[in-house]
Amino acid sequence: DIQMTQSPSSVSASVGDRVTISCRASQGISNWLAWYQQKPGKAPKLLIYAASSLQSGVPSRFSGTASGTDFTLTISSLQPEDFATYYCQQANSFPITFGQGTRLEIK
Amino acid sequence: QVQLVESGGGVVQPGRSLRLSCAASGFTFSRSAMHWVRQAPGKGLEWMSFISYDESSKYYADSVKGRFTISRDNSKNTLYLQMNSLRTEDTAVYYCARVGITIFGVVINFYMDVWGKGTTVTVSS
Repeated sequence: DIQMTQSPSSVSASVGDRVTISCRASQGISNWLAWYQQKPGKAPKLLIYAASSLQSGVPSRFSGTASGTDFTLTISSLQPEDFATYYCQQANSFPITFGQGTRLEIK
Repeated sequence: QVQLVESGGGVVQPGRSLRLSCAASGFTFSRSAMHWVRQAPGKGLEWMSFISYDESSKYYADSVKGRFTISRDNSKNTLYLQMNSLRTEDTAVYYCARVGITIFGVVINFYMDVWGKGTTVTVSS
């Protein structure tokens, strides 16, 4: 199985900050990666697929990049509604695996 | 609007069975592959199972293989998860999710673009 490792596990930031969340795959997955946002008590929401493609309706302050087996989610200017937990997910093969999540908290 | 609504969760004793349902609306369910994903209390997301639009392909996580069965009834726009031999570690919120992302016209089965709100399963004696 492909292991997905996210870092950091949690991060504190302020509104307007730029934040980056990292995800590393245990083996090559090309650009087959998605990012999801989940707020407490809610279902996950797809933000980015194919490592850098923005899902319809997602604000442009969210972006994704890939370099080898390393992937990054960047929020360019944090908004109050962005405080949530973020998960990466490999989309290369079954079984699908998620990272452990990164909790983004208000500083 | 596109919507997925899970049902069938509840409290069940270890070793018993439960069947979850996911009712789809607002899109052509019969053309969409689907997933089940769960989340244990305070934990991360765990993928459970996948089914193709025509049931020709099914995949399971090792943790549920042989105990859980995914199926669908396209005439009823409904996805199912039959859960047998339940264990305490199966306690979680269970989400159904749609496969809806295409790249250059090709459906990519691994991306989940619409999720239901989830149904809670508690396995406890």
